Formats: sequence, C-alpha cells, structure tokens
Amino acid sequence: EVQLVESGGGLVQPGRSLRLSCTASGFTFADFTMTWFRQAPGKGLECVGIIRSKVYGGTTDYAASVKGRFTASRDDSKRIAYLQMNSLKIEDTGLYYCTTLWRWGQGTMVIVSS
Amino acid sequence: DIVMTQTPLSLSVTPGQPASISCKSSQSLLHSDGKTYLYWYLQKSGQSPQVLIYEVSSRFSGVPDRFSGSGSGTDFTLKISRVEAEDVGVYYCMEGIHLFTFGPGTTVDLK
Repeated sequence: EVQLVESGGGLVQPGRSLRLSCTASGFTFADFTMTWFRQAPGKGLECVGIIRSKVYGGTTDYAASVKGRFTASRDDSKRIAYLQMNSLKIEDTGLYYCTTLWRWGQGTMVIVSS
Repeated sequence: DIVMTQTPLSLSVTPGQPASISCKSSQSLLHSDGKTYLYWYLQKSGQSPQVLIYEVSSRFSGVPDRFSGSGSGTDFTLKISRVEAEDVGVYYCMEGIHLFTFGPGTTVDLK
C-alpha cells in the first residue's frame, strides 16, 4: 500500500527554522517527483516546493513566497523527502502535505507564532 | 505564473442529479510532449486531497465512472453524472505544467 507520512511540524517563533520529513513506502520512491503543498486554515492549496526524481535531474522549484527560505531535498536510499524551512514567517502557518500528486500524506501542521 | 479560475465557487445539488464545474487556466496546459496537464481533486472535510482525474480526462484508479473530465488548452470541465452523498466536498482543478497551481475550489453540497 502506498503511504506518505509527514513529520516535523510544530509551533515555532517567527525567524526560526523547521525541517519537515516525508517518509514513503509502497512504491519506488526514487522514480517519483515529490511535491510539498501547504494549506492555511480554511484556505486553498499552495505548492511550495518540488523536487524531481534523478531521472529529471533532481531539480527543484519553489513558490515565489518561499524562494530563498525553503529548500526541498530527498534521500532516495532512505525513501525520505525533506523540506527545510528557514526564516519562518507568520504567513507560513498551515498544514503541510507531501505528495506524488497521486497520493498524499495526512499532513503535518506548522504554526508560526510569537 | 499560471492563474487557475473555477466556476461556480459553490454548488448545491440534489442527489442523483448531475453537476458540472468549469476550470480555466491563464495559459495553455498543453505540454511539448503532447499531453495536457490538468488534474481534478476532491478534498473531503478533514481529509487530504484525492486525485479524481489526470491529464484532462483520465480517471485515476478506483474513481467511479460517474466522474468525467473534458476540455483542452485553457478550458476544462469536470462532470458528475449523478451526485451521491459521498461526493460532497471541495473540488479543485490544478495545472501540472508549471508550479502545480490550484484553482480556488468549488464547494459541492447536497440540497
């Protein structure tokens, strides 16, 4: 069964950092582009970062709102995708999902507040 | 950046009746590989999004055949032939050609 499990969320002060992890099982992780989305409470979905598979060069892309602050990476041997979030802002608050676009995790909540 | 719009933003449907949602993109979603990367998702209350349709009209595994997608270029439609209680939720279209931009969502509930 395909599973994606996010972890690493929590309450953090503005300006601090957090690293999210997405642990995959049930499929050939290395073959898939992994995408991070977020959803602020009661709002829609925003793609924040994409990390492509090695087949597509392992390249990354980011939303303008997080470029320079967030970094997506992956460890194919461990089947884990990461989202390093630095210089967090209050507006980064939300439920963060990792996904292959076909399957989604349940999300991990990030709250940025002083 | 690509902007995705949806109409209507909310829809109340009598069970057993059809429903239709329109989605427009600000740029063509036709890729150089010949495929058009338009997805439809349903997000039920308290759940993660689930994919219904990919590449405009292909149903994902396990999606009932009452769901169908159509369109090309910048104009797309999701149709539910006969709405059931389990279809309630927020429907999103998403472009898959650039930065996976979602539309604002269409809330579907039952009359």
